Amino acid sequence: QKEVEQDPGPLSVPEGAIVSLNCTYSNSAFQYFMWYRQYSRKGPELLMYTYSSGNKEDGRFTAQVDKSSKYISLFIRDSQPSDSATYLCAMSNTGYSSASKIIFGSGTRLSIRP
Amino acid sequence: GAVVSQHPSRVICKSGTSVKIECRSLDFQATTMFWYRQFPKQSLMLMATSNEGSKATYEQGVEKDKFLINHASLTLSTLTVTSAHPEDSSFYICSAVKSPGGTNEKLFFGSGTQLSVL
Repeated sequence: QKEVEQDPGPLSVPEGAIVSLNCTYSNSAFQYFMWYRQYSRKGPELLMYTYSSGNKEDGRFTAQVDKSSKYISLFIRDSQPSDSATYLCAMSNTGYSSASKIIFGSGTRLSIRP
Repeated sequence: GAVVSQHPSRVICKSGTSVKIECRSLDFQATTMFWYRQFPKQSLMLMATSNEGSKATYEQGVEKDKFLINHASLTLSTLTVTSAHPEDSSFYICSAVKSPGGTNEKLFFGSGTQLSVL
């Protein structure tokens, strides 16, 4: 079993829809949770980060962590074609930048149809 | 946000040649940089940790003589794929830590290099 599981998609939704992206994990020691957005042939860009359980909102994006279920989500409201990208979840038990300890999901490809 | 520049963005080379990829932190000093490779539809796999002024630390299974890493300054790390073969074809990405140890410590990624070995 992988430490982090993420549905690879692709996920295709119409413009304006609410998008829900999810990851599950097995290591209960993870405390730092991140979402990265990666456009084709580009490096990942940090989108959201949260510590432990709870919600965090930033504009159209909401990150949610449920440690009891070992489940994290990223919600995108009013989705736009420019949101089309691969979204990678990532997590760590030592910090947001401890690259040697960050475990990445395989990414979900998202396509927003105009 | 912080800028990490990676060059070249794409390189095609013949089998047996060596290829150098550069990773620069443009607006901050990075004592630590990281190198990943990513196969299509797969996640990032950490290859090595590059430390300024000292030897790189390689992940298990990564050949250090095959993937030479040099971190000669606080803003530049290079990855050289030596004697490249078709199986080395992949997307290589670097990252750098900004503000290590501070409350704003974050990891920023370069734009990646697509290596194709013929």
